[in-house]
Amino acid sequence: IQLTQSPSSLSASVGDTVTITCRASQGISRYLAWYQQKPGEAPKLLIYATSTLQSGVPSRFSGSGSGTDFTLTISSLQPEDFATYYCQHLNSYPGTFGGGTKVEIK
Amino acid sequence: QVQLQESGPGLVKPSQTLSLTCTVSGGFIRSGGYYWSWIRQHPGRGLEWIGYIYYSGSTYYNPSLKSRLTISVDTSKNQFSLKLNSVTAADTAIYYCARENEPMDAIDIWGQGTMVTVSS
Repeated sequence: IQLTQSPSSLSASVGDTVTITCRASQGISRYLAWYQQKPGEAPKLLIYATSTLQSGVPSRFSGSGSGTDFTLTISSLQPEDFATYYCQHLNSYPGTFGGGTKVEIK
Repeated sequence: QVQLQESGPGLVKPSQTLSLTCTVSGGFIRSGGYYWSWIRQHPGRGLEWIGYIYYSGSTYYNPSLKSRLTISVDTSKNQFSLKLNSVTAADTAIYYCARENEPMDAIDIWGQGTMVTVSS
């Protein structure tokens, strides 16, 4: 199963709402997770099962979708949100990752 | 809380074996409900899922690496390990050990990662 993220990068300002899309090459039910990675750090789990927020993750992050199309939305972008975001499916193995979306400061 | 720490050589010669160990602290590998995993990230690139091992020893490997890969577990030391044979420059990457949380179907804990360079 291949995951295609779009866009691969975007520029946004603090306070903006950002939407990142992850499309699966076949249906994965709701077995999709989102991670945030900052330079020099390991990825951090943000959302699992498409829309469940990991403990401690701010509520401005949200996820939605099912089947093959999924989105990560960041409302009111904060300075600490500038990072690269990855989706991953675990509907089956190998649990492939999307190519990543780099969110940069405009 | 549970923490993971990778260890192993940072430099491996081509055709040799890359060996890494992940030490788990703050919890036990033999606790059910978790898959102990390896993921790698080529420099400046995305994430590649390598494989996992369950505490019982059952494994699943990425088919693209399966012929060269062995993941093992030592519950007495609370460690799991990765061995990748016949390495080339294409295996140069940051290697992360991680915990996949089965009920979540997500990787909820990551090690800090260790850079491994394949070069003569």
